[in-house]
Amino acid sequence: QVTLVESGGGMAQPGRSLRLSCAASGLDFRSYGMHWVRRAPGKGLEWLAVIWSDGTNIQYADSVKGRFIISRDNSKDTLYLQMNSLRVDDTAIYYCATADPAVSMRILEKWGQGARVTVSS
Amino acid sequence: DIVVTQSPLSLAVTPGEPASISCRSSQSLLHRDGYDYLDWYLQKPGQSPQLLIYFASSRAPGVPDRFRGSGTGTDFTLTISSVEAEDVGLYYCMQGRQTPQTFGQGTKLEIK
Repeated sequence: QVTLVESGGGMAQPGRSLRLSCAASGLDFRSYGMHWVRRAPGKGLEWLAVIWSDGTNIQYADSVKGRFIISRDNSKDTLYLQMNSLRVDDTAIYYCATADPAVSMRILEKWGQGARVTVSS
Repeated sequence: DIVVTQSPLSLAVTPGEPASISCRSSQSLLHRDGYDYLDWYLQKPGQSPQLLIYFASSRAPGVPDRFRGSGTGTDFTLTISSVEAEDVGLYYCMQGRQTPQTFGQGTKLEIK
């Protein structure tokens, strides 16, 4: 059974940084692509970033490009999202999700329970 | 970016009755590999989203067969043949044809 557990959420002031982690179990982590998606209060889902299984290919949404960095440590079965220069509108629940390249890197198969991030002065 | 538009944004359905949600994209989601890169996700209250349908019409493992996805190109539909109380939540379509992947606004399904 695939389990994804996000951590590292919390409160931060505008302009500060936070790092989210997503610990995976129940799958061969190094074989899967991984995504980050968020949902801001009162809004819908927003795709943020994807990283291929070996970390060689990375893509971002324009809203976070240059501020957020997706990375992974396959030896630790863990995905990361380094969030810099945080803004109030980054307040959201952040989800990690798997993508099986044998099917498609674009399909978000399994999701974590989410990590809440609040950016406020 | 590809814009994905859902309708309706909310619907209330009597248990046992069917329900349909429409999703339209600003560009064709049909890839040269023959697949439409359109997924459907459900976020139940208090839960994280879950994959229902991928490639427009393929049900994800464990998804009841009352959920059916159809359509191609720019017009897609999610149909629930007989709504159950556990189906309440927010339904999203998402295109994966181009980066950035984009979601529809979401459709809230409630039970009458």
